[in-house]
Amino acid sequence: GAVVSQHPSRVICKSGTSVKIECRSLDFQATTMFWYRQFPKQSLMLMATSNEGSKATYEQGVEKDKFLINHASLTLSTLTVASAHPEDSSFYICSARQGAVSTEAFFGQGTRLTVV
Amino acid sequence: SQQGEEDPQALSIQEGENATMNCSYKTSINNLQWYRQNSGRGLVHLILIRSNEREKHSGRLRVTLDTSKKSSSLLITASRAADTASYFCATDAGDMRFGAGTRLTVKP
Repeated sequence: GAVVSQHPSRVICKSGTSVKIECRSLDFQATTMFWYRQFPKQSLMLMATSNEGSKATYEQGVEKDKFLINHASLTLSTLTVASAHPEDSSFYICSARQGAVSTEAFFGQGTRLTVV
Repeated sequence: SQQGEEDPQALSIQEGENATMNCSYKTSINNLQWYRQNSGRGLVHLILIRSNEREKHSGRLRVTLDTSKKSSSLLITASRAADTASYFCATDAGDMRFGAGTRLTVKP
């Protein structure tokens, strides 16, 4: 299957700093990327959907000023957690889809963010 | 927000037994996908079933889809200890939303 690379896999940062997470589709062009967060022993919650070249669509309750998503190219999307706080500590996962609906989405390996 | 519910939330069986997990959802979908996740790791895609399909097989996996009932099931036959993981269904209606998941434990 296609490969989606997510980086970093783990990050520990101080409260108040910003953290950037990258999601790259390595062998296909991703027209759509999704960002999720997952708390321990819970499911993945969709945060936002981004299409290349346009603004991300955020889910209700997700602060767009806090979780900045950029999908500037067909192979790269970034999620920046601005002014991170301990409650932002979570597992963040991206996924990428090459085509329209009904095509498989491929997932990155996730980023474990710990804010101290 | 999540799309639907999965049951059971947790399932514990002996090696060799079959495991059945169910997923219900609320809206119309283009396809439904099942994923597996080992603790704290990324997701592994298992199978995709389109809205016009009723059943699909892949190795020891069998997935059914009933769009009239808005439900799907994942059957793992002849389970192994290595099948221990969390299993999630995800509905695709343009965006992909996950069910709550089932934590499967297969005892050797």
